[in-house]
Amino acid sequence: GESVGLHLPTLSVQEGDNSIINCAYSNSASDYFIWYKQESGKGPQFIIDIRSNMDKRQGQRVTVLLNKTVKHLSLQIAATQPGDSAVYFCAEKGTSYDKVIFGPGTSLSVIP
Amino acid sequence: ETGVTQTPRHLVMGMTNKKSLKCEQHLGHNAMYWYKQSAKKPLELMFVYNFKEQTENNSVPSRFSPECPNSSHLFLHLHTLQPEDSALYLCASSLPGLQPQHFGDGTRLSIL
Repeated sequence: GESVGLHLPTLSVQEGDNSIINCAYSNSASDYFIWYKQESGKGPQFIIDIRSNMDKRQGQRVTVLLNKTVKHLSLQIAATQPGDSAVYFCAEKGTSYDKVIFGPGTSLSVIP
Repeated sequence: ETGVTQTPRHLVMGMTNKKSLKCEQHLGHNAMYWYKQSAKKPLELMFVYNFKEQTENNSVPSRFSPECPNSSHLFLHLHTLQPEDSALYLCASSLPGLQPQHFGDGTRLSIL
C-alpha cells in the first residue's frame, strides 16, 4: 500500500546547528513532495516542495533532497533557530491520484 | 494570515448537538479539503471538493456532512458526534495539479 513515513519521531538540536529531518515513501508513482511545518495551535504551513524531476531544491535556510532510487526525502534546516521548533510533515502526491499522503510527523526541538 | 480562515477556533459540544464548521479562502483556489488531525496520528483526509463538486469521501461516517456552496467556502456539518470525534479539524485549499495545499489553523473540537 501507499505510505509515507518518518525515520525519527523526535529530534533535538542545538541552536545554530543544522537539522536534518528524513522521510521515506513507498509509492513510485509519486511525482511531487512537500514539507510542512506545524507549530502548536496552528495549521500546517507550507515550507518547500520538489518535483520528481529534481534532486535538490533550496529555499531560505531550507534545502530539500530527493533520492528516488531509495525513495527517500530529507529536509535540511541551516542554522536552526528556536522558532524552528515545530512538527514537520512530509507529504507526497502523484499525477495519477488526487490525494496528498502525509507522514506521521517529526517533532523538532531546538535547545537554546 | 494564512489565507484560509476557519471558524470557530474552538468548539465544545454534546453528542446530541448539531453544529457547523466553516472554512473560507480567498486565494483563488478551486479545490478544498477537510482533514481530521488526532494526537499521534497522520493527517486523515475526509473530503475533497473540486470546483464545488465532491470528488472524495474517505469512508467518513454520515454524522459528518460537508457542503461546498462555492469555490471559496466549505462547511462541515456535525450531528450526533461521538467522543472519538474529538480532534483538530483542518481545512485546506489548493490549485489543481502538483501544487501545495494551504491550511487554515483548524477548529479544535471537543465532544462531551
